[in-house]
This record gives sequence, structure tokens and C-alpha cells, in this order.
Amino acid sequence: EADIYQTPRYLVIGTGKKITLECSQTMGHDKMYWYQQDPGMELHLIHYSYGVNSTEKGDLSSESTVSRIRTEHFPLTLESARPSHTSQYLCASNDLQAFNEQFFGPGTRLTVL
Amino acid sequence: EDKVVQSPLSLVVHEGDTVTLNCSYEVTNFRSLLWYKQEKKAPTFLFMLTSSGIEKKSGRLSSILDKKELFSILNITATQTGDSAIYLCAVEEGNQFYFGTGTSLTVIP
Repeated sequence: EADIYQTPRYLVIGTGKKITLECSQTMGHDKMYWYQQDPGMELHLIHYSYGVNSTEKGDLSSESTVSRIRTEHFPLTLESARPSHTSQYLCASNDLQAFNEQFFGPGTRLTVL
Repeated sequence: EDKVVQSPLSLVVHEGDTVTLNCSYEVTNFRSLLWYKQEKKAPTFLFMLTSSGIEKKSGRLSSILDKKELFSILNITATQTGDSAIYLCAVEEGNQFYFGTGTSLTVIP
């Protein structure tokens, strides 16, 4: 079944740790996105990718990096987590060519102490 | 300046009421407008609109787009408590999606 997965679902870590949030989709979509959403607030685009070896920064600089070595995989890495990174991180994907919606993963809720 | 503006920000209604949620946008390379419902988890897709004046309908929900006036509305008739959620509007411009802040709908019994 085609879907989009994120792991972990919840993560609590200490300041200064390096973390990687995983996102995988089985729909063969070209475009993938990472959004950050604080409770009750709008989604902010932090990174996106048009396909393999393509990565772009979005509107919100979150001191994170992404990579796109495989079509289905788009991990987000925080080199040194800070309390200001506490938020929900949503991964999404869609087909670059077709007029269709973004499919969202279930999200990772990150808390940095 | 916000590219996508939703109103109202918050709405509380009784079960059975009809609600209309608004989304206005300002982009230069419009591709589509999408409505999502977000409860506690990630947004779930409701509608995608690309053409003016064509109503999309799914059960008690319907939506329409006006590309001349740059807005869309989402209607929910005979609301139920399960409709309580944040409703997000997003506009696809070129290859990016811009989201509004959402309308928080609470339906009380």
C-alpha cells in the first residue's frame, strides 16, 4: 500500500544532540517536503526536494540539513538540537508532474530539553 | 506579506449548523488550491481546486474556487462534533505550497 512514513513519532532529547528524522514514501513521488508546525500555528516550509540529489531551503531557516540520495527517502538532520527546535515536523510528498495533493506523513513531535 | 489568508481564525458552532470557511490568496503562478483537515495528527486531504466555479463535493463538505477574486470557500452543512478540527487552505504556486494559518472549528453538541 502506497504511503508516507515518518520515524520516530515522538522524540525527547537533550540540547546539543545530533538527530535525524526519517521520512520515506512508497508512491514514487518526485517532490518531498519538510514542514515545521508549532501548536496552533501555520506550517512553515523548511526544506524541499525535486528529486534525487536535489535539495532546496524553504522559508524557515531551522539550522537543519536534508539529503535525497534515493527517491523514496528524505531524512532531516539537526546537527545540534536546541530548545527552539521543539516542534512538530511533518514530511510530505507529491508528484511533480501531476495535479494532485500533497500526502503528509504522521509527523514527528520533537522536544528538546 | 502572507500569501494565503484564512478567516475566521476560530469558529464555535452547534451541531447541525452550516459553516463557511474562507481562504484568500495572492500568488503570481497559481497551480491549485487545496483544503485539508487537521485534527491531532498530520493534515488529511479534502479537496483540490484548479478551475473557477466548479464545486467539489464530498458528503456534507463542498468547496469552490474563484480565480478572478482569488479566494475559495469551504462549506460544511449539518455539522457534527467530528467536524471539529483545524481546516487548512494551501495554495500551490509554481513548485511550492503556501499554507494559511487555518480556521479552528469547534462543533458543540
